[in-house]
Amino acid sequence: SYVLTQPPSVSVAPGQTARITCGGNNIGSKSVHWYQQKPGQAPVLVVYDDSDRPSGIPERFSGSNSGNTATLTISRVEAGDEADYYCQVWDSSSDPVVFGGGTKLTVL
Amino acid sequence: EVQLVESGGGLVQPGRSLRLSCAASGFTFDDYAMHWVRQAPGKGLEWVSGISWNSGSIGYADSVKGRFTISRDNAKNSLYLQMNSLRAEDTALYYCAKDRGSEVGSGSCYNYWGQGTLVTVSS
Repeated sequence: SYVLTQPPSVSVAPGQTARITCGGNNIGSKSVHWYQQKPGQAPVLVVYDDSDRPSGIPERFSGSNSGNTATLTISRVEAGDEADYYCQVWDSSSDPVVFGGGTKLTVL
Repeated sequence: EVQLVESGGGLVQPGRSLRLSCAASGFTFDDYAMHWVRQAPGKGLEWVSGISWNSGSIGYADSVKGRFTISRDNAKNSLYLQMNSLRAEDTALYYCAKDRGSEVGSGSCYNYWGQGTLVTVSS
């Protein structure tokens, strides 16, 4: 089955840029979606189809996808961005919906 | 306002059954595919199952295939998950999630989630 690899943690100072990667074999050929999950809350879709943002999601959240790596970029990071972030794709395998293991973003 | 409210979780012994429900409101339920996604305590997200708008297309994770059955009742705006032969490793918070599209397929992503219902499998 298809595997998505995320770093367990990323730390960034307020006002700086956070980049969270999601690695997968030829992931650039797939649509990647990103979710934010704060403690005790349900996930929230923050980026879909590699780089589109749902309504209500700040422009500070952006995404890119090429080759074997997709990236979620959070500009001008705020304390409220501290959360777990998950990438997700669809794969034509026996387990078609695949999530990455998640990345904990810490705002220093 | 889209609302998804799960119910039916609880403590159950290994090998027993449980049925989860998800009541949907705030959108045209029979226009969209629906999914169950679970999260074990302290762990990441795991897709469990998905069903298309008309129940014509259904998928399951390998980990639950043959034990879990997803269904929906569009007249009642409700989604269900029948869980049989439960195991300790099924212990998780089970989320109901709305697909952005009508089919379970390559475009599937989840633009609304419920708050989850906790299933604990233990003797």
